[in-house]
Amino acid sequence: GESVGLHLPTLSVQEGDNSIINCAYSNSASDYFIWYKQESGKGPQFIIDIRSNVGEKKDQRIAVTLNKTAKHFSLHITETQPEDSAVYFCAATTGNDMRFGAGTRLTVKP
Amino acid sequence: DGGITQSPKYLFRKEGQNVTLSCEQNLNHDAMYWYRQDPGQGLRLIYYSQIVNDFQKGDIAEGYSVSREKKESFPLTVTSAQKNPTAFYLCASSTQGSYEQYFGPGTRLTVT
Repeated sequence: GESVGLHLPTLSVQEGDNSIINCAYSNSASDYFIWYKQESGKGPQFIIDIRSNVGEKKDQRIAVTLNKTAKHFSLHITETQPEDSAVYFCAATTGNDMRFGAGTRLTVKP
Repeated sequence: DGGITQSPKYLFRKEGQNVTLSCEQNLNHDAMYWYRQDPGQGLRLIYYSQIVNDFQKGDIAEGYSVSREKKESFPLTVTSAQKNPTAFYLCASSTQGSYEQYFGPGTRLTVT
C-alpha cells in the first residue's frame, strides 16, 4: 500500500546551523505535500506546503523542496533556533487520501 | 478566539469501559477528522466526516464509533472492542476541499 516515511527518526543540530529533514513517499500520483510541527503535548501545526507542480517554496526561515523523480520532499530550516525543537511530520496527499510519516524529532543544541 | 478544542487532555479508564473523547471547533469547518498517534508511527486516520450527519471509516476504524450531529462537534467513542486503546488521540478540521488540517491539542487516553 501507499506509504510516507521520514529518513531519520531523530536529528540533532547546533543552534544557528541549517537543518534538513527528508520525507519519502511511495505513490507517484501524490500531488500535495505538507510539513507539520508538533511541540510536546500539543497537536501538530501546519508550517508549509507545496504542490506537485512546484519545486520549491519558501516562508522566512522555512522552505520545502520537492523531487518528484526521487519521490521525496524536504523541509529546510535556516539558522535553526531552540524554539525549532519539536517533532516534524510530513504528509503526502493523493486525491482525498492523506498519509502521514512517523515524525522526526529535531533537537537544537545551544 | 477561533480554534479546535479537545477535552479532557488526559483520560484514564479501566479495560472494558467505553469512553468518549470530545472535539469541538468554531472555525466553521465542514470536515473533521480523528487520528490516533502511537510512538514511532505516523498519524493514522480513524474516522472522518465531510458534512453533518455523514462520516466515513478511516484506516483503523475497528473498535471506534463517531457521530456528527452538529457541524461544530465530532465526538469519538473508544469502545471495549478496541484491543489497544491506549494512545494519543488527535482531532482535526479543515474547510471543504482543503488539505490543510487544523489540529486540536490532543487527548492522551490510558486504559488499564
